[in-house]
Amino acid sequence: GNSVTQMEGPVTLSEEAFLTINCTYTATGYPSLFWYVQYPGEGLQLLLKATKADDKGSNKGFEATYRKETTSFHLEKGSVQVSDSAVYFCALRINAGGTSYGKLTFGQGTILTVHP
Amino acid sequence: DVKVTQSSRYLVKRTGEKVFLECVQDMDHENMFWYRQDPGLGLRLIYFSYDVKMKEKGDIPEGYSVSREKKERFSLILESASTNQTSMYLCASSLEWVGQETQYFGPGTRLLVL
Repeated sequence: GNSVTQMEGPVTLSEEAFLTINCTYTATGYPSLFWYVQYPGEGLQLLLKATKADDKGSNKGFEATYRKETTSFHLEKGSVQVSDSAVYFCALRINAGGTSYGKLTFGQGTILTVHP
Repeated sequence: DVKVTQSSRYLVKRTGEKVFLECVQDMDHENMFWYRQDPGLGLRLIYFSYDVKMKEKGDIPEGYSVSREKKERFSLILESASTNQTSMYLCASSLEWVGQETQYFGPGTRLLVL
């Protein structure tokens, strides 16, 4: 089956620190990979995505590279801000035909807190 | 901008009550989804729908049913609420086009079953 594993949280950083949140996956087929972010009191919103091996998704200073050889999609940011405090979810979607119909499989989420 | 709205942000219900959670999207999306979010478990798919009147079970459908009578509206029904259904419920929608598979989420409904 398909699954996503994220690093255990919570993660607590000081402002301007470097961020890495690890994500690895198991998938049958060729997945697209996503990072979603959930700010306090809100629903999830797409942060970035990559649809094939070696693609790099980027947005708002965050980056993640689709690594097929290590089945990973680690999220990184060079300098975090207090406003980045949120829950981050890694997810995959299988692109093959059949009955997937856009189903996403999520990791358990990683809580990030950034202090001034 | 795509907008997904959910009928309530907070709900308190009693064990055994029938509960309806409503979700509406305004972008003519084919696919709609219901998830529940629990700490340490991430999001788990309850049901999804890829067309009007069509539905598919997700990973945890037990105790839930759904209804999609119109393309823009997807309802989640708890036939007889139980305390283990206390959770955050998130609705999402997406197009079914390759490269357009981003899911757009509503703000969530936090349900407490007493």
